[in-house]
Amino acid sequence: AQSVTQPDIHITVSEGASLELRCNYSYGATPYLFWYVQSPGQGLQLLLKYFSGDTLVQGIKGFEAEFKRSQSSFNLRKPSVHWSDAAEYFCAVDNAGNMLTFGGGTRLMVKP
Amino acid sequence: DTGVSQDPRHKITKRGQNVTFRCDPISEHNRLYWYRQTLGQGPEFLTYFQNEAQLEKSRLLSDRFSAERPKGSFSTLEIQRTEQGDSAMYLCASSLAIGNYGYTFGSGTRLTVV
Repeated sequence: AQSVTQPDIHITVSEGASLELRCNYSYGATPYLFWYVQSPGQGLQLLLKYFSGDTLVQGIKGFEAEFKRSQSSFNLRKPSVHWSDAAEYFCAVDNAGNMLTFGGGTRLMVKP
Repeated sequence: DTGVSQDPRHKITKRGQNVTFRCDPISEHNRLYWYRQTLGQGPEFLTYFQNEAQLEKSRLLSDRFSAERPKGSFSTLEIQRTEQGDSAMYLCASSLAIGNYGYTFGSGTRLTVV
């Protein structure tokens, strides 16, 4: 069965600093990978997704992620964090279009 | 189309009562999914439909949970005889079956069982 691990439960960065959120997955086939963001009390908003092709994926709000098959990773990055980026971030893997398996999430706090 | 709609946004119920939540997917999406998210955790898959057919329901948490999508449009999730452990956010998502362009989530229904 597939699984997703987000090793960092909480991360705090200063506004304007760079950000990297880690995601490792376990999946037998070529994965479809996603990053979602969730503000408190809200649903999930899709930041970006990887299906195939270029391993560096661009998303909304200035986020990007890189798929590394050899490391089974799909880390999310942003070069300069804004206070409005404070939220919870979830990495997920798609089981052949039937369901998403999510990681436990990383809560991002931004210091002014 | 404004996205996936869920109703109500919040529900407080007494233990032992039945509750029903509604989800209206994006109109052209033929797949609809239900997830549960407890505090501090990632969403957990419960069930999904393709059109009106429920294709996976083994992940429903107990026989107190049931879901329907009678005409292949909106869906309802019912929890019978609620327990305090059912307190969670219930999220609905929809997608196209072909092409896998991703899943669009609603804002969720927050259930509190007192």
